[in-house]
Amino acid sequence: SQKIEQNSEALNIQEGKTATLTCNYTNYSPAYLQWYRQDPGRGPVFLLLIRENEKEKRKERLKVTFDTTLKQSLFHITASQPADSATYLCAPRNSGNTPLVFGKGTRLSVIA
Amino acid sequence: EPEVTQTPSHQVTQMGQEVILRCVPISNHLYFYWYRQILGQKVEFLVSFYNNEISEKSEIFDDQFSVERPDGSNFTLKIRSTKLEDSAMYFCASSEHTGEYQPQHFGDGTRLSIL
Repeated sequence: SQKIEQNSEALNIQEGKTATLTCNYTNYSPAYLQWYRQDPGRGPVFLLLIRENEKEKRKERLKVTFDTTLKQSLFHITASQPADSATYLCAPRNSGNTPLVFGKGTRLSVIA
Repeated sequence: EPEVTQTPSHQVTQMGQEVILRCVPISNHLYFYWYRQILGQKVEFLVSFYNNEISEKSEIFDDQFSVERPDGSNFTLKIRSTKLEDSAMYFCASSEHTGEYQPQHFGDGTRLSIL
């Protein structure tokens, strides 16, 4: 069955450092992969999308990589800030409007 | 920026009662979804809706559940004869029709508490 694993349930880092979150998937051949942020009591918010033919995508302090051989995506937040504290969810997808299947997420805490 | 709105933000209902959760998707979006998140667990897909019919549903979405788009703006999830295990956050989401690689836009959810 399809499985999505995100590296750890919780990740604590010091403000200013780079946070690296991992998403591994099995039994998928995704055309692309999306990352979302979820704050407590709120709905997920779309952050970035990376396609299978893209190795890397950047948006401001965010960077996502996608390795279809390793079946893995890495999500980096550089110069992290306490406001980056949230749960980050990955969702590999096979086509445009199929339902999202999320991993459990990684809860990031950036400590000042 | 346009957003998905959900009402109510919190619904408390007695077990066995029916409940209707309401959503107003973004106005030019044509794909609609319901997801749920039990406390401390992951966000799970329930159902997708396009062109006035269900396009896909998960095994969670059994006969107890139904969805409707009663007019041009609302999208509702009805749960008949609620059970304790239906207690969860329910999220509505929508996405545009055209083009691949469309992100889904989520509302802030309805917290459903079954007593």
